[in-house]
Amino acid sequence: AQKVTQAQTEISVVEKEDVTLDCVYETRDTTYYLFWYKQPPSGELVFLIRRNSFDEQNEISGRYSWNFQKSTSSFNFTITASQVVDSAVYFCALSGRGKGGNTPLVFGKGTRLSVIA
Amino acid sequence: DAGVIQSPRHEVTEMGQEVTLRCKPISGHDYLFWYRQTMMRGLELLIYFNNNVPIDDSGMPEDRFSAKMPNASFSTLKIQPSEPRDSAVYFCASSSDRNQPQHFGDGTRLSIL
Repeated sequence: AQKVTQAQTEISVVEKEDVTLDCVYETRDTTYYLFWYKQPPSGELVFLIRRNSFDEQNEISGRYSWNFQKSTSSFNFTITASQVVDSAVYFCALSGRGKGGNTPLVFGKGTRLSVIA
Repeated sequence: DAGVIQSPRHEVTEMGQEVTLRCKPISGHDYLFWYRQTMMRGLELLIYFNNNVPIDDSGMPEDRFSAKMPNASFSTLKIQPSEPRDSAVYFCASSSDRNQPQHFGDGTRLSIL
């Protein structure tokens, strides 16, 4: 079975601090995809990144970076120089093989990030 | 391009009433998903469709819930009869391929009194 664990329920940081959100996953599939989504206070779910299991290169997009390590089954997300607008709930998700051979997403419980000015 | 469109944004109704949530996926997306989000259970997949055909409905909580996708541009999630424990935010999402990111609608906040 697929499982995603986000051990940090809530994190508070002061603006301009760096913060890392942890994500650990479990799967028996050799091919899988990992995702991060952001849910700001307004409630919508915003896609941030997708990474497939064969690509372990770290990725950077502006102040955001992602560290994928298959050896530890982790896909951590770092925000550099955090800003108040980064305050949101962040979800890590995993897609593997489900019924019918397709790949529904399994979400972690989310980490609520509060950035204080 | 228009994103996933859900209606209504908010629904408040009394226990026992029928509730219908609507979703229009992104044009060209072959996959459509219905999720429920609650504080206790987080984000749960209820059902998903591929090319209008239901593929996996194992997440549907009970027979009171049903979902249809009569065509590529429209899906409904129906609860009949509704109960207070059905109160949640219901999201619809669509994707172009099984391995592509899902794009979510703004959700329907459902309150059953």
